[in-house]
Amino acid sequence: QVQLVESGGGVVQPGGSLRLSCAASGFSFSSYGMHWVRQAPGKGLEWVTFIRYEGSNKYYADSVKGRFTISRDNSKNTLFLQMNSLRAEDTAVYYCAKPYGFFLGIVANAFDIWGQGTMVTVSS
Amino acid sequence: EIVMTQSPATLSVSPGERATLSCRASQSVSSNLAWYQQKPGQAPRLLIYGASTRATGIAARFSGSGSGTEFTLTISSLQSEDFAVYYCQQYDSWPPLTFGGGTKVEIK
Repeated sequence: QVQLVESGGGVVQPGGSLRLSCAASGFSFSSYGMHWVRQAPGKGLEWVTFIRYEGSNKYYADSVKGRFTISRDNSKNTLFLQMNSLRAEDTAVYYCAKPYGFFLGIVANAFDIWGQGTMVTVSS
Repeated sequence: EIVMTQSPATLSVSPGERATLSCRASQSVSSNLAWYQQKPGQAPRLLIYGASTRATGIAARFSGSGSGTEFTLTISSLQSEDFAVYYCQQYDSWPPLTFGGGTKVEIK
């Protein structure tokens, strides 16, 4: 079935780094742009970053620009998020998410598939 | 950046009653709006996209309406499994993609 499985979360000190992975299965991963979305404990959803299907275009939220890097390996159906210079405010569950796809002539970046999430805690 | 505002923050409803949730965009997002349901400890689930199209497997009691800046999610007759937090999200103009702050639907 269609599935996204994140891994790589954990506890890291402020200023540290962490690399998250998201393994995709059950759909044509290389045909879709992919996103990361995060949720701080007890808070709402925050979009983090996007990568185009072939990796040529990447967008970031201002809150992570210059510190986080999204990438993908289409040969391994895997999405990555390299997080550097981590701060306490980056503490959150990180989800990878697949957009629905084309709807009424545009790419509907509504997320129809989500991973189970991986927890990142930044604390000394 | 388009700011999404949801109201109310908390909605107390009895099972079997109708629930109406609102979402407002700071500028027009056309019909490029989605609704999600999230239960504790779970990932969000897509309910509605294109403002009014139900996602695969979503019960008919969920309906979305609106366009431009004003949107509504209606749950016609609340079931026990519908008590959750609901988020709206615009995908018209980005980056960034933006979510509303959420509406918690609780048992009255």
